[in-house]
Order: sequence, then C-alpha cells, then structure tokens
Amino acid sequence: AQSVTQLDSQVPVFEEAPVELRCNYSSSVSVYLFWYVQYPNQGLQLLLKYLSGSTLVKGINGFEAEFNKSQTSFHLRKPSVHISDTAEYFCAVSEPRGQNFVFGPGTRLSVLP
Amino acid sequence: EPEVTQTPSHQVTQMGQEVILRCVPISNHLYFYWYRQILGQKVEFLVSFYNNEISEKSEIFDDQFSVERPDGSNFTLKIRSTKLEDSAMYFCASSAAAGNTIYFGEGSWLTVV
Repeated sequence: AQSVTQLDSQVPVFEEAPVELRCNYSSSVSVYLFWYVQYPNQGLQLLLKYLSGSTLVKGINGFEAEFNKSQTSFHLRKPSVHISDTAEYFCAVSEPRGQNFVFGPGTRLSVLP
Repeated sequence: EPEVTQTPSHQVTQMGQEVILRCVPISNHLYFYWYRQILGQKVEFLVSFYNNEISEKSEIFDDQFSVERPDGSNFTLKIRSTKLEDSAMYFCASSAAAGNTIYFGEGSWLTVV
C-alpha cells in the first residue's frame, strides 16, 4: 500500500524568501507523484506532476519539484515566494494504472510580509 | 480549459436526510472519483468509477454511500442517511487514464446539522 508523509504541517516564510515543502512516499511499485495546491475556500489545483523522464519537474507559479527515487522523496521548491502563495499544499502519489490517489496530510504555507 | 463542475457548492441538511451531490466530469475522461476533506484534515479517497462500475473504494465508502452515472455527463454521490460526521467538503475528480493526473472540481461543502 502506498503512503505519503509531509513532515511539516505548517511552514511560515517571509515574502521573497525561498521555500521547500517536503514530501516522502512509500510504495512497493513505481509511482506517479503530484503536488496540488488548495487556496483558501477553493478546490484542489494541480501544481506539477512527475510521471517519467527528467526528475526535475517545473510547474505553475514558479514551483518545481525533484523526484529522488533513492530517498523516495518529491520535495517542492520555489526560489522566491509571494504573499499569494499562501495556501495548503498536498503531495499525492498514484500507481500507473492504479485508481486511487493517496494524499499526504498537507502543509500550510504562510507567506509573511 | 475543460473543468470538472460540481453542484451544489454548499448544502445544509438535517441528520438522517438523503443527499445527492452532483458532478460533471471533463467530457473525454473515463475515470471518475469522489474524495472528501473534513475541515482541517487531509483529503481522503472515497471511490473510483470506471466503465459504469465501482473499481475501487475505501473503507469510508460504506453502505450509506452510492455513486451513479445516470447519463453520459453526470456523476453523482448519494449519501442515504446523513450523519453529523459526514460534514465535509466533497470533491469530484476525473482523469483520462488510470493513475494519471486527476482534475478536481471546486467541491461541494456539506454541513449536516
């Protein structure tokens, strides 16, 4: 069975500072990895995904993530955050041809002025 | 850009009443999902649906829950007799292929009183 760990439940950071949101997963098979963002009172929006190929994937709003198979991680990074990046960020994993996405507990990013 | 739409956006219902949440998945998608998010908690998988039948369900999805695709466009979640603990945001999602990116609707916020 798959599982996803997001060790940081809350990450406060000042505007224009870099940020890294950590995600680790466990699975006995190969996986697809995703980051979704949930802005206050809104639904889930796809930020980026790793299916195959280059381990460094770029997404919307200047975010990127790197798949590290040996460390079973998929950490999300942004070099300079904005106030508008304040949101809940969810890491998720699925199996190719699987029909169940497993979400991590989420990390609340608070960008401070 | 195609999107998943959900209605109603918010529903208040009395305990014991039946509720139907409606979703229109992206038109060329074949896999449909319901997830829920209790306030302040993680996103939880409820059920996946493919080829007019349930393909996978979680232990949350008990006999009180059912899903249906009554026509070529709608996908519904029915809760037969709501309980207080059913209060949550319910997200519908769809994907073109199993395990691949799933796209979420904005959610239906259900409050059971």
